[in-house]
Amino acid sequence: GESVGLHLPTLSVQEGDNSIINCAYSNSASDYFIWYKQESGKGPQFIIDIRSNMDKRQGQRVTVLLNKTVKHLSLQIAATQPGDSAVYFCAGANSGNTPLVFGKGTRLSVIA
Amino acid sequence: EAGVTQFPSHSVIEKGQTVTLRCDPISGHDNLYWYRRVMGKEIKFLLHFVKESKQDESGMPNNRFLAERTGGTYSTLKVQPAELEDSGVYFCASSQSHSPLHFGNGTRLTVT
Repeated sequence: GESVGLHLPTLSVQEGDNSIINCAYSNSASDYFIWYKQESGKGPQFIIDIRSNMDKRQGQRVTVLLNKTVKHLSLQIAATQPGDSAVYFCAGANSGNTPLVFGKGTRLSVIA
Repeated sequence: EAGVTQFPSHSVIEKGQTVTLRCDPISGHDNLYWYRRVMGKEIKFLLHFVKESKQDESGMPNNRFLAERTGGTYSTLKVQPAELEDSGVYFCASSQSHSPLHFGNGTRLTVT
């Protein structure tokens, strides 16, 4: 079955530095991946997604990289700001039918 | 556009009691999902509605959980009778076809 996990449960970065959050998945049939940000007391908020026909996708200050060979994806946040402090979840699915499977989350703390 | 709304935001009940959670999806979203996050663990899929039909209920833990979506609009998730292990945050999400899931802020359920 599908499992999606994260390498590190916590990450602390200095304000202004770049952040990299990693995620591994086990199901090679997964072809759609999403990163969510969850702030305290709120639900997961969509950040960026990527399909398996791409290996990189950029948004505003965020970049997702997908390496299908080793079944790994990462979220890069440029010039990390205090407002980026949150728990970040990766999630994957086979876009045909299966529901999103979430990893446990990485807590990002930004040090001012 | 109003987001996904969930009610109540918090619920504290005793073991053996019944609780009903409500989710109002984004207007026009046919897909509605329930997820649950137990303390410290990943967000886990419970079930998926397409309009009023249950598309996938493979994540429902047992028959104490009953989800409905009469008329294909809002959904309810009832837990009867509640057990201690049911404590957690219950998230609802909705989407249009082939679009990312939009989550509500969740209902924090505490069973004592």
